[in-house]
Amino acid sequence: QLQLQESGPGLVEPSETLSLICTVSGGSLSRSPYYWGWIRQPPGKGLEWIGTIYYSGSTWSTSYNPSLKSRVTISVDMSKNHFSLNMSSVTAADTAVYYCARGFTFDPWGQGSLVTVSS
Amino acid sequence: EIVMTQSPATLSVSPGERATLSCRASQSVSSNLAWYQQKTGQAPRLLIYRASTRATGIPTRFSGSGSGTEFTLTITSLQSEDFAVYYCQQYDNWPPITFGQGTRLEIK
Repeated sequence: QLQLQESGPGLVEPSETLSLICTVSGGSLSRSPYYWGWIRQPPGKGLEWIGTIYYSGSTWSTSYNPSLKSRVTISVDMSKNHFSLNMSSVTAADTAVYYCARGFTFDPWGQGSLVTVSS
Repeated sequence: EIVMTQSPATLSVSPGERATLSCRASQSVSSNLAWYQQKTGQAPRLLIYRASTRATGIPTRFSGSGSGTEFTLTITSLQSEDFAVYYCQQYDNWPPITFGQGTRLEIK
């Protein structure tokens, strides 16, 4: 059974870079449908798609939310079967639960990782 | 960007009754529409994709319909575990993938 697990610091200082890893178990990143995404949810609010990394042809490609594109990088480490999120220049508005999920109809999801941006 | 609008924001229904949740897209998304259920403190769970296909393990009391810009999630014979927040999501034209703001289904 495919499972995803987010990990990373729970507290990040303003202007710093948020870094999270999503570890995939029970399956391979390189297995169809090859799409892996990050979604976030500020406390008490709705869901916001951050971006997706996907395998197309013989290469990995990324697609980002235009509202976050300048600050976000998603990458994959096939040897560790995980993919990562880096978000630079964070502010309090980036405080949220960050989820990773497979696909673009997201299933399954990780349990989520609360990241608080504060000094 | 395609804007997804859900209505109502909150829906109060009695257990055993039927709930009908709506989702409207600002432009056509064909049938590329998914529904999720989120309970407090949990990650969302995929219920429906391609507007009307139930995800693995989803009970038959959950059904989706619609295409283009108007979509409906219907839950028949509401169970106690169905009271949660529901989100729709379009994946027809991205980036960005966009979600509705959610409908809270509460016990009447």
